[in-house]
Amino acid sequence: DVKVTQSSRYLVKRTGEKVFLECVQDMDHENMFWYRQDPGLGLRLIYFSYDVKMKEKGDIPEGYSVSREKKERFSLILESASTNQTSMYLCASSLNLAGYTFGSGTRLTVV
Amino acid sequence: EDKVVQSPLSLVVHEGDTVTLNCSYEVTNFRSLLWYKQEKKAPTFLFMLTSSGIEKKSGRLSSILDKKELFSILNITATQTGDSAVYLCAVHDSGNTPLVFGKGTRLSVIA
Repeated sequence: DVKVTQSSRYLVKRTGEKVFLECVQDMDHENMFWYRQDPGLGLRLIYFSYDVKMKEKGDIPEGYSVSREKKERFSLILESASTNQTSMYLCASSLNLAGYTFGSGTRLTVV
Repeated sequence: EDKVVQSPLSLVVHEGDTVTLNCSYEVTNFRSLLWYKQEKKAPTFLFMLTSSGIEKKSGRLSSILDKKELFSILNITATQTGDSAVYLCAVHDSGNTPLVFGKGTRLSVIA
């Protein structure tokens, strides 16, 4: 089974801090994605990547950046965390763009 | 404007009831529609539908796609408390685009 591992389940950070959310997959998938999930808003795409060192903006990239230096790792960076970035963050990977495997999520609280 | 619309947004039923969850979509070049179940953490894959009229079935869950009317339904018969979850519908549009998710339906099954 494909495993997608997100490094933290729960995270509390202060406003203005730089925050790194890490995601690692173990099945050599080309495609990786970062979503945030908020009540009433569903899953919204932040960034995605189809290859190493490649990144594309999703629907809500503002305030975020990403890094993909190795195929298996896709990092989401909050340059200066703000309270409106309090959310559940979900990473996913896929081989063929149709079927995603999700990580367990990181619940980030910015205080 | 939402491309994938799920209804209802939330639903409370009693154990043993049958429920139908709806997903309508509007995309340019449809390739597939997927259903996921999300309990406390990672969404898990249920079904992928690509052809109209062919029912996919797994135990008490089944799903069907209507490409002419642009919708899919997810049926759960003889519901159990373990079916309580958020059910997500996602559509794969043409080419190299990520999945587009609906807002989800939160199902609560009470004993």
